[in-house]
Amino acid sequence: SQTIHQWPATLVQPVGSPLSLECTVEGTSNPNLYWYRQAAGRGLQLLFYSVGIGQISSEVPQNLSASRPQDRQFILSSKKLLLSDSGFYLCAWSVDMVIYIEQFFGPGTRLTVL
Amino acid sequence: KQEVTQIPAALSVPEGENLVLNCSFTDSAIYNLQWFRQDPGKGLTSLLLIQSSQREQTSGRLNASLDKSSGRSTLYIAASQPGDSATYLCAADNQAGTALIFGKGTTLSVSS
Repeated sequence: SQTIHQWPATLVQPVGSPLSLECTVEGTSNPNLYWYRQAAGRGLQLLFYSVGIGQISSEVPQNLSASRPQDRQFILSSKKLLLSDSGFYLCAWSVDMVIYIEQFFGPGTRLTVL
Repeated sequence: KQEVTQIPAALSVPEGENLVLNCSFTDSAIYNLQWFRQDPGKGLTSLLLIQSSQREQTSGRLNASLDKSSGRSTLYIAASQPGDSATYLCAADNQAGTALIFGKGTTLSVSS
């Protein structure tokens, strides 16, 4: 069966510090991978998605970047965090079929920027 | 651009009641609509996926329907239980079919 991991579970960082959140998927190959952010009072916002190694699409302009160094690894980064980067970050995966995208989510990382 | 709206934002019901959660989307040219459950501070759990060729899906006490022509989906929960208390999220895919667009959710509270 497939499993998706995210770490860390919680993170408190000062403004201006760097960020690296990691997501890995087990039990499947060549998944589509997604990063979402859920801010207080707002819905889930898609940040990035990836259909393969090194292939990253950004949905919204922002202070964050994403990378996919391996087939089942997706990393969310920032060089300098802003207060507005606080939120709940969720990684998700789906099978590599564009028109059938049932998505499965990880446990999330709660990021607080102070 | 796909937009998804969920009504009501919050709902409180006594245990045992049947209830309906509503979801509407602006672009009817979707491939899929997916319902999720989110417990406080947790990730999302997939409940039901309805493909565009389907009109409904059922899992246990849950039934989700899809009407593409009107841009609506409903999630029906039968005989609600306190354990059903959570936020329920509806998501429809974007125009490119590459990702899901989420509503803000309906927070359900079932009292015993």
